[in-house]
Amino acid sequence: SAVISQKPSRDICQRGTSLTIQCQVDSQVTMMFWYRQQPGQSLTLIATANQGSEATYESGFVIDKFPISRPNLTFSTLTVSNMSPEDSSIYLCSVEVGDRGSYEQYFGPGTRLTVT
Amino acid sequence: KQEVTQIPAALSVPEGENLVLNCSFTDSAIYNLQWFRQDPGKGLTSLLLIQSSQREQTSGRLNASLDKSSGRSTLYIAASQPGDSATYLCAGYNQGGKLIFGQGTELSVKP
Repeated sequence: SAVISQKPSRDICQRGTSLTIQCQVDSQVTMMFWYRQQPGQSLTLIATANQGSEATYESGFVIDKFPISRPNLTFSTLTVSNMSPEDSSIYLCSVEVGDRGSYEQYFGPGTRLTVT
Repeated sequence: KQEVTQIPAALSVPEGENLVLNCSFTDSAIYNLQWFRQDPGKGLTSLLLIQSSQREQTSGRLNASLDKSSGRSTLYIAASQPGDSATYLCAGYNQGGKLIFGQGTELSVKP
């Protein structure tokens, strides 16, 4: 398993500003992901955070809006840039652990973002 | 494209009842399947992982099954308690190694 922490746990931000969310894991992991959960919705994958290279973004998400850093195997940040009320969501990081055939994902507690 | 559907969307039961949550997926090439619990405004807690070669997993009062041929998974909760109240999400790994989530079932267990 893995223990994941996120900072901040919640924030209220003004339109047009940016917020950087931090994700820390208690062990080295190869695969780290960022998800978004809009109000009343399920989780949508934003991107895979790759250590030492640019993140891999899913369709509908772009680097200019959601820049991601992954400086090492235990830490990543997600920035939500030029925020609008539509960005109000819970943002979650997750990690994948296990061997081939038994991959399992563990999630952080989430960052609840409200944009006014 | 893998799609995951959960039925029902919401469920309310009296304490002590046994219940079943359903999850279906469109692509039988699903790899592993995970069941999660999410409390309001919180992150996800992994409950059970069913590997591709397995048919079921058990943890305490929880039992999850996987039938790849029919594209279905169920989560059985025995002797439900008010503390079980939460949203339950199933998610399947597709062949690209990504988790695809269902919409969740919001469970309320009344004392």
